[in-house]
Amino acid sequence: SQKIEQNSEALNIQEGKTATLTCNYTNYSPAYLQWYRQDPGRGPVFLLLIRENEKEKRKERLKVTFDTTLKQSLFHITASQPADSATYLCALAPSASKIIFGSGTRLSIRP
Amino acid sequence: DTGVSQNPRHKITKRGQNVTFRCDPISEHNRLYWYRQTLGQGPEFLTYFQNEAQLEKSRLLSDRFSAERPKGSFSTLEIQRTEQGDSAMYLCASSFRASGDIEQYFGPGTRLTVT
Repeated sequence: SQKIEQNSEALNIQEGKTATLTCNYTNYSPAYLQWYRQDPGRGPVFLLLIRENEKEKRKERLKVTFDTTLKQSLFHITASQPADSATYLCALAPSASKIIFGSGTRLSIRP
Repeated sequence: DTGVSQNPRHKITKRGQNVTFRCDPISEHNRLYWYRQTLGQGPEFLTYFQNEAQLEKSRLLSDRFSAERPKGSFSTLEIQRTEQGDSAMYLCASSFRASGDIEQYFGPGTRLTVT
């Protein structure tokens, strides 16, 4: 069956360092992959989308890589700040109408 | 535009009662999705509309759940004969498929507690 795995353990990072989150998937051949941010009690917010023919995408302090051979995406936040503390969700679309989310990784940036 | 809105934000109901939630998507968005999210998990897909047509429904969605989008604008999600296992956050999202842009915009969710 199709499966998305994100590190279920919380990630604690010192402010200013680079945070790296991992998303692995099995039994998919996705055309694209998305990353969302979710704060407690709120809906997810879209951050970045990367397509299967793209190796890397950047937006300000965010960088996403997509390795379709390894079936893995890495999400990086450089120069991390306490305001970056949130849960980050990886999402894949097995069809045009359906998006499957991972369980998310909780990131904490300590001052 | 004020984004996706959902009402109510919180609902407490007794087991066996019916509940209905409403979602108002971003006005120009033709796609609307419902998800359910429990603590520590990512959103779980429930169903999807393109305009007023319900095009996909999760196999996990029991017959007690029904969703409508009568005029291709707002949508309602009804749960009949609620059970304690239905307690969760119910999220609505919308998107507009153009040039391959398919990011979804989520509402704040409706938190359901079944006692």
